[in-house]
Amino acid sequence: SAVISQKPSRDICQRGTSLTIQCQVDSQVTMMFWYRQQPGQSLTLIATANQGSEATYESGFVIDKFPISRPNLTFSTLTVSNMSPEDSSIYLCSGGGATGELFFGEGSRLTVL
Amino acid sequence: QKEVEQNSGPLSVPEGAIASLNCTYSDRVSQSFFWYRQYSGKSPELIMSIYSNGDKEDGRFTAQLNKASQYVSLLIRDSQPSDSATYLCAVNVYYGQNFVFGPGTRLSVLP
Repeated sequence: SAVISQKPSRDICQRGTSLTIQCQVDSQVTMMFWYRQQPGQSLTLIATANQGSEATYESGFVIDKFPISRPNLTFSTLTVSNMSPEDSSIYLCSGGGATGELFFGEGSRLTVL
Repeated sequence: QKEVEQNSGPLSVPEGAIASLNCTYSDRVSQSFFWYRQYSGKSPELIMSIYSNGDKEDGRFTAQLNKASQYVSLLIRDSQPSDSATYLCAVNVYYGQNFVFGPGTRLSVLP
Protein backbone atom coordinates (compact mmCIF):
# COMPACT_ATOMS: atom_id res chain seq x y z
CA SER A 1 0.00 0.00 0.00
CA ALA A 2 1.05 3.58 -0.57
CA VAL A 3 1.99 5.77 2.38
CA ILE A 4 0.63 9.27 1.93
CA SER A 5 1.78 12.24 3.98
CA GLN A 6 -0.09 15.50 4.19
CA LYS A 7 0.78 18.79 5.78
CA PRO A 8 -0.35 20.76 7.57
CA SER A 9 -2.40 18.33 9.63
CA ARG A 10 -4.52 21.20 10.89
CA ASP A 11 -4.65 24.96 10.68
CA ILE A 12 -6.76 27.88 11.76
CA CYS A 13 -7.03 30.60 9.16
CA GLN A 14 -8.56 34.00 8.79
CA ARG A 15 -11.32 34.76 6.31
CA GLY A 16 -10.01 35.94 2.96
CA THR A 17 -6.63 34.25 3.19
CA SER A 18 -5.36 31.22 1.26
CA LEU A 19 -3.78 27.98 2.44
CA THR A 20 -1.79 25.41 0.50
CA ILE A 21 -1.89 21.76 1.53
CA GLN A 22 0.94 19.49 0.45
CA CYS A 23 0.68 15.79 -0.28
CA GLN A 24 3.62 13.43 -0.68
CA VAL A 25 3.33 9.76 -1.68
CA ASP A 26 6.10 7.29 -0.91
CA SER A 27 5.84 5.54 -4.27
CA GLN A 28 4.72 6.43 -7.72
CA VAL A 29 0.98 6.35 -8.12
CA THR A 30 -1.01 6.76 -11.29
CA MET A 31 -4.00 8.44 -9.65
CA MET A 32 -4.10 11.26 -7.14
CA PHE A 33 -7.32 12.81 -5.92
CA TRP A 34 -8.33 15.52 -3.50
CA TYR A 35 -11.44 15.03 -1.38
CA ARG A 36 -13.29 17.18 1.11
CA GLN A 37 -15.11 15.79 4.12
CA GLN A 38 -17.37 18.13 6.02
CA PRO A 39 -18.35 17.30 9.61
CA GLY A 40 -20.55 14.21 9.78
CA GLN A 41 -20.53 13.79 6.00
CA SER A 42 -19.01 11.38 3.53
CA LEU A 43 -16.25 12.17 1.08
CA THR A 44 -16.79 14.61 -1.78
CA LEU A 45 -14.33 14.57 -4.64
CA ILE A 46 -12.89 17.99 -5.43
CA ALA A 47 -10.66 17.08 -8.36
CA THR A 48 -8.31 14.60 -9.96
CA ALA A 49 -4.73 15.82 -9.88
CA ASN A 50 -3.11 15.18 -13.26
CA GLN A 51 0.63 15.05 -13.57
CA GLY A 52 1.98 17.98 -15.55
CA SER A 53 -1.39 19.29 -16.63
CA GLU A 54 -4.46 21.01 -15.27
CA ALA A 55 -6.51 19.15 -12.71
CA THR A 56 -9.95 17.77 -13.59
CA TYR A 57 -12.56 19.36 -11.34
CA GLU A 58 -15.89 17.96 -10.23
CA SER A 59 -19.11 19.87 -10.51
CA GLY A 60 -19.23 22.64 -7.94
CA PHE A 61 -15.46 23.06 -7.67
CA VAL A 62 -13.45 25.51 -9.76
CA ILE A 63 -9.78 26.10 -10.36
CA ASP A 64 -9.82 29.68 -9.12
CA LYS A 65 -11.03 28.54 -5.71
CA PHE A 66 -9.08 25.26 -5.48
CA PRO A 67 -5.94 25.45 -7.63
CA ILE A 68 -4.12 22.13 -7.74
CA SER A 69 -0.65 21.24 -8.89
CA ARG A 70 0.98 17.89 -9.54
CA PRO A 71 4.50 18.39 -10.87
CA ASN A 72 5.43 14.70 -10.63
CA LEU A 73 3.97 11.30 -9.78
CA THR A 74 4.57 11.55 -6.03
CA PHE A 75 3.66 15.12 -5.07
CA SER A 76 0.60 17.34 -5.26
CA THR A 77 -0.69 20.53 -3.67
CA LEU A 78 -4.18 21.87 -3.11
CA THR A 79 -4.72 25.55 -2.37
CA VAL A 80 -7.93 26.77 -0.77
CA SER A 81 -8.20 30.38 -1.90
CA ASN A 82 -10.00 33.36 -0.42
CA MET A 83 -11.29 31.24 2.42
CA SER A 84 -14.62 31.66 4.16
CA PRO A 85 -16.05 29.80 7.18
CA GLU A 86 -17.89 27.50 4.73
CA ASP A 87 -14.48 26.12 3.70
CA SER A 88 -13.92 24.73 7.18
CA SER A 89 -13.53 21.04 6.55
CA ILE A 90 -11.12 18.14 6.36
CA TYR A 91 -9.22 17.97 3.09
CA LEU A 92 -7.91 14.54 2.12
CA CYS A 93 -5.28 13.63 -0.41
CA SER A 94 -5.53 10.15 -1.90
CA GLY A 95 -3.50 8.07 -4.27
CA GLY A 96 -3.89 4.80 -6.11
CA GLY A 97 -1.66 2.58 -8.15
CA ALA A 98 -1.55 -0.58 -10.16
CA THR A 99 -3.73 -2.57 -7.76
CA GLY A 100 -6.61 -0.17 -8.28
CA GLU A 101 -6.92 0.47 -4.55
CA LEU A 102 -7.07 3.98 -3.14
CA PHE A 103 -5.20 5.11 -0.05
CA PHE A 104 -5.60 8.27 1.98
CA GLY A 105 -3.36 10.71 3.75
CA GLU A 106 -4.02 11.68 7.34
CA GLY A 107 -6.07 14.67 6.26
CA SER A 108 -5.76 18.39 6.84
CA ARG A 109 -8.33 19.85 9.22
CA LEU A 110 -8.99 23.45 8.26
CA THR A 111 -10.88 25.94 10.42
CA VAL A 112 -11.70 29.34 8.97
CA LEU A 113 -12.63 32.11 11.38
CA GLN B 1 -25.31 10.18 -11.87
CA LYS B 2 -23.39 7.43 -10.18
CA GLU B 3 -24.76 6.70 -6.70
CA VAL B 4 -23.73 4.53 -3.83
CA GLU B 5 -26.18 4.01 -0.99
CA GLN B 6 -25.74 2.66 2.51
CA ASN B 7 -27.87 2.50 5.62
CA SER B 8 -26.75 5.46 7.70
CA GLY B 9 -27.18 3.65 10.97
CA PRO B 10 -26.19 3.73 13.65
CA LEU B 11 -25.99 -0.02 13.67
CA SER B 12 -25.53 -1.41 17.15
CA VAL B 13 -24.42 -4.98 17.81
CA PRO B 14 -23.26 -6.71 20.99
CA GLU B 15 -19.65 -7.74 21.34
CA GLY B 16 -19.02 -11.11 19.72
CA ALA B 17 -21.93 -10.85 17.29
CA ILE B 18 -21.82 -10.58 13.50
CA ALA B 19 -22.18 -7.08 12.09
CA SER B 20 -23.65 -6.88 8.60
CA LEU B 21 -23.14 -3.75 6.52
CA ASN B 22 -24.86 -3.27 3.19
CA CYS B 23 -24.24 -1.16 0.11
CA THR B 24 -25.99 -0.77 -3.24
CA TYR B 25 -24.72 1.02 -6.31
CA SER B 26 -26.43 2.42 -9.37
CA ASP B 27 -23.88 2.03 -12.17
CA ARG B 28 -24.17 -1.50 -13.54
CA VAL B 29 -20.75 -1.39 -15.21
CA SER B 30 -18.92 -0.78 -11.93
CA GLN B 31 -15.90 -3.05 -11.65
CA SER B 32 -14.21 -2.54 -8.30
CA PHE B 33 -15.64 -2.35 -4.81
CA PHE B 34 -14.05 -1.33 -1.54
CA TRP B 35 -14.81 -1.05 2.13
CA TYR B 36 -13.13 1.61 4.24
CA ARG B 37 -13.18 2.02 8.00
CA GLN B 38 -13.03 5.52 9.42
CA TYR B 39 -12.55 6.21 13.09
CA SER B 40 -13.73 9.54 14.39
CA GLY B 41 -11.20 12.24 13.57
CA LYS B 42 -9.14 9.92 11.38
CA SER B 43 -8.86 9.38 7.63
CA PRO B 44 -10.44 6.38 5.86
CA GLU B 45 -8.51 3.13 6.03
CA LEU B 46 -8.94 0.46 3.35
CA ILE B 47 -10.00 -2.86 4.87
CA MET B 48 -11.36 -4.89 1.95
CA SER B 49 -11.46 -4.84 -1.83
CA ILE B 50 -13.50 -7.17 -4.04
CA TYR B 51 -13.69 -7.40 -7.80
CA SER B 52 -15.66 -10.53 -8.69
CA ASN B 53 -18.93 -12.07 -7.60
CA GLY B 54 -18.92 -14.15 -4.46
CA ASP B 55 -17.26 -13.94 -1.08
CA LYS B 56 -13.81 -12.76 -0.09
CA GLU B 57 -12.57 -13.41 3.42
CA ASP B 58 -9.79 -11.69 5.32
CA GLY B 59 -9.59 -12.54 9.00
CA ARG B 60 -12.84 -11.53 10.69
CA PHE B 61 -13.99 -9.63 7.60
CA THR B 62 -15.93 -11.08 4.67
CA ALA B 63 -16.93 -9.01 1.65
CA GLN B 64 -19.75 -10.28 -0.56
CA LEU B 65 -20.44 -9.05 -4.07
CA ASN B 66 -23.48 -9.66 -6.25
CA LYS B 67 -23.16 -7.69 -9.47
CA ALA B 68 -26.53 -8.84 -10.79
CA SER B 69 -28.23 -7.28 -7.78
CA GLN B 70 -25.74 -4.39 -7.66
CA TYR B 71 -25.11 -5.16 -4.05
CA VAL B 72 -22.00 -5.45 -1.91
CA SER B 73 -21.84 -6.24 1.78
CA LEU B 74 -19.34 -6.50 4.60
CA LEU B 75 -19.66 -8.98 7.43
CA ILE B 76 -17.63 -8.57 10.59
CA ARG B 77 -17.50 -11.70 12.70
CA ASP B 78 -16.83 -11.71 16.44
CA SER B 79 -17.34 -7.95 16.55
CA GLN B 80 -15.17 -6.06 19.00
CA PRO B 81 -15.63 -2.61 20.55
CA SER B 82 -12.59 -1.55 18.53
CA ASP B 83 -14.65 -2.16 15.37
CA SER B 84 -16.86 0.79 16.33
CA ALA B 85 -16.38 3.23 13.47
CA THR B 86 -18.00 4.50 10.29
CA TYR B 87 -17.75 2.11 7.36
CA LEU B 88 -17.65 3.60 3.88
CA CYS B 89 -18.50 1.68 0.74
CA ALA B 90 -16.70 2.86 -2.40
CA VAL B 91 -17.21 1.92 -6.04
CA ASN B 92 -14.88 2.42 -8.97
CA VAL B 93 -16.35 2.18 -12.45
CA TYR B 94 -13.15 2.09 -14.45
CA TYR B 95 -9.55 1.81 -13.37
CA GLY B 96 -8.05 5.27 -13.33
CA GLN B 97 -11.37 6.96 -12.74
CA ASN B 98 -12.49 8.46 -9.48
CA PHE B 99 -14.11 6.47 -6.72
CA VAL B 100 -17.69 7.14 -5.63
CA PHE B 101 -18.25 6.88 -1.89
CA GLY B 102 -21.41 6.05 -0.05
CA PRO B 103 -22.59 8.12 2.93
CA GLY B 104 -21.20 5.59 5.41
CA THR B 105 -22.74 3.42 8.11
CA ARG B 106 -21.88 4.09 11.71
CA LEU B 107 -21.29 0.86 13.63
CA SER B 108 -21.33 0.67 17.40
CA VAL B 109 -20.20 -2.56 19.09
CA LEU B 110 -21.45 -2.69 22.64
CA PRO B 111 -19.27 -4.41 25.28
